[in-house]
Amino acid sequence: NAGVMQNPRHLVRRRGQEARLRCSPMKGHSHVYWYRQLPEEGLKFMVYLQKENIIDESGMPKERFSAEFPKEGPSILRIQQVVRGDSAAYFCASSPPRRPEVAQYFGPGTRLLVL
Amino acid sequence: AQSVTQLDSQVPVFEEAPVELRCNYSSSVSVYLFWYVQYPNQGLQLLLKYLSGSTLVKGINGFEAEFNKSQTSFHLRKPSVHISDTAEYFCAVILMDSSYKLIFGSGTRLLVRP
Repeated sequence: NAGVMQNPRHLVRRRGQEARLRCSPMKGHSHVYWYRQLPEEGLKFMVYLQKENIIDESGMPKERFSAEFPKEGPSILRIQQVVRGDSAAYFCASSPPRRPEVAQYFGPGTRLLVL
Repeated sequence: AQSVTQLDSQVPVFEEAPVELRCNYSSSVSVYLFWYVQYPNQGLQLLLKYLSGSTLVKGINGFEAEFNKSQTSFHLRKPSVHISDTAEYFCAVILMDSSYKLIFGSGTRLLVRP
């Protein structure tokens, strides 16, 4: 049973470009969470999605950031017009249905560097 | 506001010595509690969790933690550490009335020396 997959593992963008981060949850998991880890800091919640629904986006910046989890395919975190402050590690986690508090399983992360 | 505090940013310890990593939380509602470990340039791996029941929980790699409701603490312990335990350790909570998002502490870097 494959774990949570994220790609790319590393992404370099210039200021003003778009970044697309992908996350494939573990098989059978229908809940996806995105977290951001700034250098030398802990992880901060961004958004919680179920298939085709955003459940909680209270941690998402109001502009330039969006997330989706379509019926088919991976979850996408999209950052438009990136700035240097967006440089961070972005982690996706997934959890099973019915009892999502049981555990969240994390992917290896995407490390975004904005030049 | 809800928060998780890990007072020690770094804990140096010699190999085979015991270690305790401290975690305190603040919340007006009940919580679920977790400890995760992060090795360099990797994702987070679940060490252990407390959902209910016995306040002493055992996890992987010989780690254990005890939930103390009166002190709102969930300290992580290991009786004898190995070099391979060198990593960043994160304490986290899920609020029982929330959307299941994890609220993390700032992390403690465990540095095991030979």
